[in-house]
Amino acid sequence: GESVGLHLPTLSVQEGDNSIINCAYSNSASDYFIWYKQESGKGPQFIIDIRSNMDKRQGQRVTVLLNKTVKHLSLQIAATQPGDSAVYFCAEAPGSWAGGTSYGKLTFGQGTILTVHP
Amino acid sequence: GAVVSQHPSWVICKSGTSVKIECRSLDFQATTMFWYRQFPKQSLMLMATSNEGSKATYEQGVEKDKFLINHASLTLSTLTVTSAHPEDSSFYICSAIDRVNQPQHFGDGTRLSIL
Repeated sequence: GESVGLHLPTLSVQEGDNSIINCAYSNSASDYFIWYKQESGKGPQFIIDIRSNMDKRQGQRVTVLLNKTVKHLSLQIAATQPGDSAVYFCAEAPGSWAGGTSYGKLTFGQGTILTVHP
Repeated sequence: GAVVSQHPSWVICKSGTSVKIECRSLDFQATTMFWYRQFPKQSLMLMATSNEGSKATYEQGVEKDKFLINHASLTLSTLTVTSAHPEDSSFYICSAIDRVNQPQHFGDGTRLSIL
């Protein structure tokens, strides 16, 4: 079987540091992007989203940057805390004009394991 | 707001058993619900898209007769794994949206273990 998915990228940081998690997306026609946080044994939790007509969006302690030229998405977490330790997934969705079976569908990236050391 | 509840959270059963998993949107009407499967240390793989009152749309490679999906109301979708076998053991997660390109809100998943 495929082994790529068995080795998620990892990022280890010290408490209080800033974290940057990167994601390369696949579809240049994607219009909507989301970052999710998934803790062990739970479903993904929404963090922040961004549409393709923007290149930056800020939330509480988090910032998402979108570079459509190179199809790259990043999540910046300021003053990282131990409670931020989790797996982080980016996801992309087609534009709202993509009706039918593409309606609302997300394609998830492989995920990054973030570990925050006290 | 936007709470999705999934039940049960954990199921252990014998090979050959059929298992039903429920996904409910508690405080909004979900026009569309999605079912995902996730293996350990892997990403979420979409299995099917479920729209209220119509047949589910399955992703390539997902057996629709094996994974039966019913979306009878705007707040409930069910996934039934029929005649489950050990290879069906996985983490099954549902999500729901009320409008296109709004964040999908996820349930907390169902850990299915087939002995």
